[in-house]
Amino acid sequence: QKEVEQNSGPLSVPEGAIASLNCTYSDRGSQSFFWYRQYSGKSPELIMSIYSNGDKEDGRFTAQLNKASQYVSLLIRDSQPSDSATYLCAVVPGGGADGLTFGKGTHLIIQP
Amino acid sequence: DTEVTQTPKHLVMGMTNKKSLKCEQHMGHRAMYWYKQKAKKPPELMFVYSYEKLSINESVPSRFSPECPNSSLLNLHLHALQPEDSALYLCASSQAYLGGLGANVLTFGAGSRLTVL
Repeated sequence: QKEVEQNSGPLSVPEGAIASLNCTYSDRGSQSFFWYRQYSGKSPELIMSIYSNGDKEDGRFTAQLNKASQYVSLLIRDSQPSDSATYLCAVVPGGGADGLTFGKGTHLIIQP
Repeated sequence: DTEVTQTPKHLVMGMTNKKSLKCEQHMGHRAMYWYKQKAKKPPELMFVYSYEKLSINESVPSRFSPECPNSSLLNLHLHALQPEDSALYLCASSQAYLGGLGANVLTFGAGSRLTVL
């Protein structure tokens, strides 16, 4: 079974610090990786997508992918209370025909 | 228009009722999805339509019946549901057909919160 693993948290980070969210996946053939943010009672919102090894930066967010280690992470710099949410890692397993596999999500709390 | 619109936002129904959830997008996306999400759990894929044809049915009970009347609309017909079917039902769409470039870059609607009594 193709799995995506995340620490469910809660992960508590002081305001202004860097929040680091991690995700591992089991299918070595996976090609597409996504981070979604979901506020309580709301729908998921795409934050970042990454397809190749290395870092991808967008504002305060940086996604990092290491396919050899089957590891993807999300860094949030200068964390704000509004970043408090559940962050879902999602992976497209090899072949791409089966759609997204979501991790269980990490609950992030930014402490003012 | 960069939104996926879902109606109703909230629905309460009895186990003998028949109701429908509706979803609409005008972004020209060719794939549309239904997900089910229980509290503190990730979204679970139910159905995928690609070019208005059902591509994936993730072994969903027949009391859930999807319909895609055209490329902009997606319905989920509900009949004889059980209390354990109470959840947030999310509709999503993506630009490309399933498996193609841009597939799985999902835009989600706000969801329909269903309560079955």
